[in-house]
Amino acid sequence: EVQLLESGGGLVQPGGSVRLSCAASGFSFDKFAMHWVRQAPGKGLEWVSGINWNSGSVGYGDSVKGRFSISRDNAKNSLFLQMNSLRPEDSASYFCAKDIKFRYYDSNNAFDIWGHGTVVTVSS
Amino acid sequence: DIQMTQSPSSLSASVGDRVSITCRASHSINNFLNWYQQKPGKAPNLLIYSTSTLQSGAPSRFSGSGSGTEFNLTITSLQPEDFATYFCQQSSTTPRTFGQGTKVEIK
Repeated sequence: EVQLLESGGGLVQPGGSVRLSCAASGFSFDKFAMHWVRQAPGKGLEWVSGINWNSGSVGYGDSVKGRFSISRDNAKNSLFLQMNSLRPEDSASYFCAKDIKFRYYDSNNAFDIWGHGTVVTVSS
Repeated sequence: DIQMTQSPSSLSASVGDRVSITCRASHSINNFLNWYQQKPGKAPNLLIYSTSTLQSGAPSRFSGSGSGTEFNLTITSLQPEDFATYFCQQSSTTPRTFGQGTKVEIK
C-alpha cells in the first residue's frame, strides 16, 4: 500500500524550532519530487516547500523562505522539514505529499498521495 | 504569485443535483489546474489534474474543464459522499497556490 506517515509535530514556543519527518512506503520514493503543504485550523491549503527527487533543487513559499528547510534521505525513504524561528501563524496541520509523476518539484504537477498530517502549534 | 479565487465559497445542494464550482486564476496557467476534495479531519484527495484528467479511482461523475484563467469542476449527480470541501490548485508556476475552497453542504 502506498503510504506517507508524518511525525514530529507538537507544541512549540514562538521563536523555537521543530523538525517534521515523513516516512514513505509502497512506492519508489527516489523517483518522485516531494512536497510539504500546510493548513491552519479552519483555513485553506498553503504549499510550503518542494524538493526534487535527488535533492538537487528545492523551493519554498514566500511565508517560510529563510526559516524552513526541506530535505530528504532516499536511502531511508524519508522526507524532512526543519522549521526555525517559528511564529504563531505557522500553527497548522502539515501534510507531506507525493508528486503524481514528476521528479522535479516545479514541474506541472499534482499531489496524488498525502499523509494524514501532523499538527504544529506555536504558542507560549 | 498567482492568486486562485473559487466561487462560490459554499453551496447547498441535494443528492442527485448537478453542481458546478468555478476557479479563476490571476494570470493564465494554461491547463495546469488540479482539483482536490477534502473531508473534515482528513487529508486532501486528488480528483482531477491538468484541468480534465480524472485521477485513478475518482468517480466518473466528477469532471473538469477550462483553460487560461477560468476553470470548472462539475459533479453531475451529487452523492452523499460528495459533501466535502473542494480546492483548486495551479501548477503552472512556483509557488503552487490553492483556491480558498468551496464547501458543498447538504440542503
